[in-house]
This record gives sequence, C-alpha cells and structure tokens, in this order.
Amino acid sequence: DGGITQSPKYLFRKEGQNVTLSCEQNLNHDAMYWYRQDPGQGLRLIYYSQIVNDFQKGDIAEGYSVSREKKESFPLTVTSAQKNPTAFYLCASRSSQGKYGYTFGSGTRLTVV
Amino acid sequence: KQEVTQIPAALSVPEGENLVLNCSFTDSAIYNLQWFRQDPGKGLTSLLLIQSSQREQTSGRLNASLDKSSGRSTLYIAASQPGDSATYLCAAQVTGGGNKLTFGTGTQLKVEL
Repeated sequence: DGGITQSPKYLFRKEGQNVTLSCEQNLNHDAMYWYRQDPGQGLRLIYYSQIVNDFQKGDIAEGYSVSREKKESFPLTVTSAQKNPTAFYLCASRSSQGKYGYTFGSGTRLTVV
Repeated sequence: KQEVTQIPAALSVPEGENLVLNCSFTDSAIYNLQWFRQDPGKGLTSLLLIQSSQREQTSGRLNASLDKSSGRSTLYIAASQPGDSATYLCAAQVTGGGNKLTFGTGTQLKVEL
C-alpha cells in the first residue's frame, strides 16, 4: 500500500545535539511538508518542498534544516539552534496532479533530555 | 493571512447522538478544505476533502459542507459511536505559494457509552 513512513517513532535529543527525522513516501507525490504540533496549538509549517532540490521556509523554520535530494525523501534536521524542540513532528505529501488533498505520516515524537 | 478557528474545543456526547463540528476561516480564496481525524499520539487520517467548487462531501456517517462566502465548514457525524472519540481537525488549503495548509486547533470529541 502507498503511504508515508516516518522514523523513528520516538527520538530523544541531548542539549546541543543535532538530530534527523526521516520521512519517506511511495505515493509519487511531488510536494512534501513538515509540520510541528504542540499541545493546544494548531499544526505549524516548518518547511516544504514542491520539487526535488528545491524547498522553502514555512512559518517556523528557525533552528531546522531540510534537504530534498530524492522525490521520495524529505528528511528534517533539528539543530542545536532550535531552542524548544520538544514536540510532535508530522510529515505530509501532496500530489500536484489534480485536486488532491494531503496525506500524513504517523509522526515522530521528539523529546529533549 | 489565513486563520482557521474550530468550535467547540471539546465536546462530550452520549453514544448514538448526531453532532456537528464547526470550522471557520478568514480568507475565502481557498483551494480546498480538508477534515482530519487524529487519535492520541498518532498521525492525521484524512476524512473528507471538499474542493472549492463543491458544497459538500459524504463518506459513510460523515458529511462535510463548505460555504466559502461565509467562511464556514461543518462536519456532521451521524449516530456517533465510542470509536469516533478523537480530535477532529479542519484545514484550509490556499492557492499558490506551495498550496500550504492552515489548521485549526481542533475539536476533541468524546463519545460515551
């Protein structure tokens, strides 16, 4: 079945450490997105990519970086510059063909220890 | 800037009751509106997608309507069941600029036996 796979499901980060969250899709979707979810707040957009080798900042990009070397993959790195990284991170994709909605992965919960 | 509001923030109903969840958005120039379900600690599951040219969509016991002129969408759940207990999120997709989704903060639904 086609879908989006996020790994790991849980991730623990020490202060000052960079960590990378994986997102892979086999839906042949062109666009991919990273959202952050905090309790009591709506999902907020971190970065998005509409084509390979191109990506744009979302509303809260500071302290994060991404790459899009392959259509199927859109990893997110949480750098030490992100002051409050503890959150639930969701990856999504969307087809640019036709009027289709978003498909989301199962999420990665990142905790700073 | 698009803003999405969901009312109520939480709702508790007895099993079998029909219920309506509300979503309002400030910018009527949307591409589509999507309703999602989120179980605790899980990713988002798409329930219904309404194109900007459509008035409603139905799937099983779910019916979603869209009124662009008033900036409102509703999700109607018929004959609610305990398995419907979850957080329901609506999200408006804007045209251009990556077709980004703007989310509401959700309605947390509990269906009691």
